[in-house]
Amino acid sequence: DAKTTQPNSMESNEEEPVHLPCNHSTISGTDYIHWYRQLPSQGPEYVIHGLTSNVNNRMASLAIAEDRKSSTLILHRATLRDAAVYYCILRPNSGNTPLVFGKGTRLSVIA
Amino acid sequence: NAGVTQTPKFQVLKTGQSMTLQCAQDMNHNSMYWYRQDPGMGLRLIYYSASEGTTDKGEVPNGYNVSRLNKREFSLRLESAAPSQTSVYFCASSVTSGSWNTQYFGPGTRLTVL
Repeated sequence: DAKTTQPNSMESNEEEPVHLPCNHSTISGTDYIHWYRQLPSQGPEYVIHGLTSNVNNRMASLAIAEDRKSSTLILHRATLRDAAVYYCILRPNSGNTPLVFGKGTRLSVIA
Repeated sequence: NAGVTQTPKFQVLKTGQSMTLQCAQDMNHNSMYWYRQDPGMGLRLIYYSASEGTTDKGEVPNGYNVSRLNKREFSLRLESAAPSQTSVYFCASSVTSGSWNTQYFGPGTRLTVL
């Protein structure tokens, strides 16, 4: 499985934008970049995913480097409820391939 | 629409006891998964079932067995629990549909083995 590298932890002030980086230098051409997050004492939840182009949804934006060796999850205005562990995961485009989790980035949001 | 449900929420076992963790999904998903999460770690795959009637080992299958009872239900059995199996167990399911194979997770079962 292609590996990803994320900072162990990050901190943000409430209502400010947060940029969570992920390096994936060994990504293959068919790997999608998925982001999940895990709120305290809950199971992970899907945030966003993309292949080559930048993506936006109601939760976040995903910016993908032109060479696809890195990506950034952007939370436009962090709230206290965004405090979680964020996982960047590469997943081949084959329907039932299980997610492979690293340790992720623990985001703390300060009021 | 309950999504993915897991029972029980909490369980304490003594070494050597057996138990079955239950998981059910009501989203008509083909694939189901069992993960464990140890403190401060990411999730690790135990077993998964790509479709009804099939199961495959994941990264850490030793000490566990699974049953895909039907399309909705996927159970995880510990035949002889050990303290090393103290963990939080998450079940997940997903539909097989191109890149939109989002996995949906249950709330977890917190298991302590004494």
